[in-house]
Amino acid sequence: GNSVTQMEGPVTLSEEAFLTINCTYTATGYPSLFWYVQYPGEGLQLLLKATKADDKGSNKGFEATYRKETTSFHLEKGSVQVSDSAVYFCALSDSNYKLTFGKGTLLTVNP
Amino acid sequence: GAVVSQHPSRVICKSGTSVKIECRSLDFQATTMFWYRQFPKQSLMLMATSNEGSKATYEQGVEKDKFLINHASLTLSTLTVTSAHPEDSSFYICSASAVVGSYNEQFFGPGTRLTVL
Repeated sequence: GNSVTQMEGPVTLSEEAFLTINCTYTATGYPSLFWYVQYPGEGLQLLLKATKADDKGSNKGFEATYRKETTSFHLEKGSVQVSDSAVYFCALSDSNYKLTFGKGTLLTVNP
Repeated sequence: GAVVSQHPSRVICKSGTSVKIECRSLDFQATTMFWYRQFPKQSLMLMATSNEGSKATYEQGVEKDKFLINHASLTLSTLTVTSAHPEDSSFYICSASAVVGSYNEQFFGPGTRLTVL
């Protein structure tokens, strides 16, 4: 079956630091890949997505590239802000549009 | 656009009672809605897929008689937790599916925090 493995947190960074959250997946076929963000007390919001190999998703300074050869979709941001503090979920979607989520990574950015 | 609401946002109930949670797509029609459960500091677990006008499809290990799902219209799905017990306390999140460009995307509600005493 499908599975998503992402680096366990929590991750604590200082403002303007570089962020990487690793994500690898196992799936049959060619899934679409996503990063969702969950701010405290809120539901999930789509941060970025990539639907095929070598696609790069980007939004709000965050980027992730769909790497089929390494089955990875690592999230990166060059300079984090305090407002980026949230839980980040990597996910994949199969042909049935069902989402499989990783366990989430809590990011805390200190001023 | 593509806003999904849930009601209530929080509910506290006594053990043995039933609780209904509503999920609405406010500005689009959703033929498919999904219900998830999220335990503290853990990921979302898909409970069931709800299609308008038909029976929900439950994931393995989810009791369909315990978690009743009704998708009566293209903008409303409800989840009823029957005879709730403390172990049912959790964060329940719904999503509604809509076509964006050429892709079927899920839009998530803000979640409902259920506490069973």
